[in-house]
Amino acid sequence: GENVEQHPSTLSVQEGDSAVIKCTYSDSASNYFPWYKQELGKRPQLIIDIRSNVGEKKDQRIAVTLNKTAKHFSLHITETQPEDSAVYFCAAKGTYKYIFGTGTRLKVLA
Amino acid sequence: EAQVTQNPRYLITVTGKKLTVTCSQNMNHEYMSWYRQDPGLGLRQIYYSMNVEVTDKGDVPEGYKVSRKEKRNFPLILESPSPNQTSLYFCASSLVSGTGGSPLHFGNGTRLTVT
Repeated sequence: GENVEQHPSTLSVQEGDSAVIKCTYSDSASNYFPWYKQELGKRPQLIIDIRSNVGEKKDQRIAVTLNKTAKHFSLHITETQPEDSAVYFCAAKGTYKYIFGTGTRLKVLA
Repeated sequence: EAQVTQNPRYLITVTGKKLTVTCSQNMNHEYMSWYRQDPGLGLRQIYYSMNVEVTDKGDVPEGYKVSRKEKRNFPLILESPSPNQTSLYFCASSLVSGTGGSPLHFGNGTRLTVT
């Protein structure tokens, strides 16, 4: 079946450094790729998304890149801050189904 | 306030006792879906609904039922819960169902324990 692989599972960075999380998907029909941030004990919340007709999207310190040929997409967080510490999930959506990655626990060390 | 409301937040039950987790959204969203979250496995889609009376299986539908009689409500039913259904459950909705997608709005989650 379809799947989304997400790496790394944990990531520790110094405050101010950049963080990169990578995802690879298997379903060629996937056309929507959101990223969610989940703080401890809370619900996932969308931080950025990208559609298949776009290669890159940026929102302040957060950017996402998509390579449809290679079937991978990445989240880039620059100038990390302690409040960026959370679990991040990527997802790929085909026509109706969402497939999520297994998550990356990001720790930003002050 | 635009939101997805799940109830209850916490539920402890015994094997075989039927239960329903309710989900309601007030944003007139077309698409609704249920997920379970387990450590190391991320979020896995159980069922989704593209519109009223239209539902389909996600990746882990076994042991669950859903219905979509009204646009705003999408309850999750466990007819005979088993301990392997102990998990954190999220309901989510989005404006658009089909190709292209739109952001999912998640409820606050329901932590279910089956003993």
